[in-house]
Amino acid sequence: GQNIDQPTEMTATEGAIVQINCTYQTSGFNGLFWYQQHAGEAPTFLSYNVLDGLEEKGRFSSFLSRSKGYSYLLLKELQMKDSASYLCAGLDSNYQLIWGAGTKLIIKP
Amino acid sequence: IAGITQAPTSQILAAGRRMTLRCTQDMRHNAMYWYRQDLGLGLRLIHYSNTAGTTGKGEVPDGYSVSRANTDDFPLTLASAVPSQTSVYFCASSELAGGDTQYFGPGTRLTVL
Repeated sequence: GQNIDQPTEMTATEGAIVQINCTYQTSGFNGLFWYQQHAGEAPTFLSYNVLDGLEEKGRFSSFLSRSKGYSYLLLKELQMKDSASYLCAGLDSNYQLIWGAGTKLIIKP
Repeated sequence: IAGITQAPTSQILAAGRRMTLRCTQDMRHNAMYWYRQDLGLGLRLIHYSNTAGTTGKGEVPDGYSVSRANTDDFPLTLASAVPSQTSVYFCASSELAGGDTQYFGPGTRLTVL
């Protein structure tokens, strides 16, 4: 079966760094997406990885290891506005997105 | 309009009633999607459309139908609502089908009593 696993909830301190992990099992693999979703709002695109390695976009970076079926989202210099859920989604061989349940990130001052 | 709009924002519906959730995008995207989001579960795909005039079934299509008469609109219909269809429904679109980045509407919160 196809599955995306990520932690349910994480807590971090303002100004710190946090890493949100995601492991995936999909039928075939055509890339890995990360989306951010603030409470009561729509998901918004953060990153897409299809090759191994780290992609950096400002304070946010995303890493992919295809051999390990593993990705992480790294958030640096955390701000209170980063409090949100972070959704990991794998793209399978049919180009359908398989979504994880999301990781709720709580930022404390 | 800029992006994707959905209507209504929220709705309380009696079981057995018919309901259509509306979705309109002005980005001229080819592909559109309907998801439901339930607490503790990931987004689940209900139906999708790769281009105007075509539709396909997603992971959880039972009890729902869609149409794609033109590029901009992608309504979702619940023929006879049941309490298990209580959820938040998101419409999304992407420029191309096949794994392109998806852009989401603000969602419709539906409660079926």
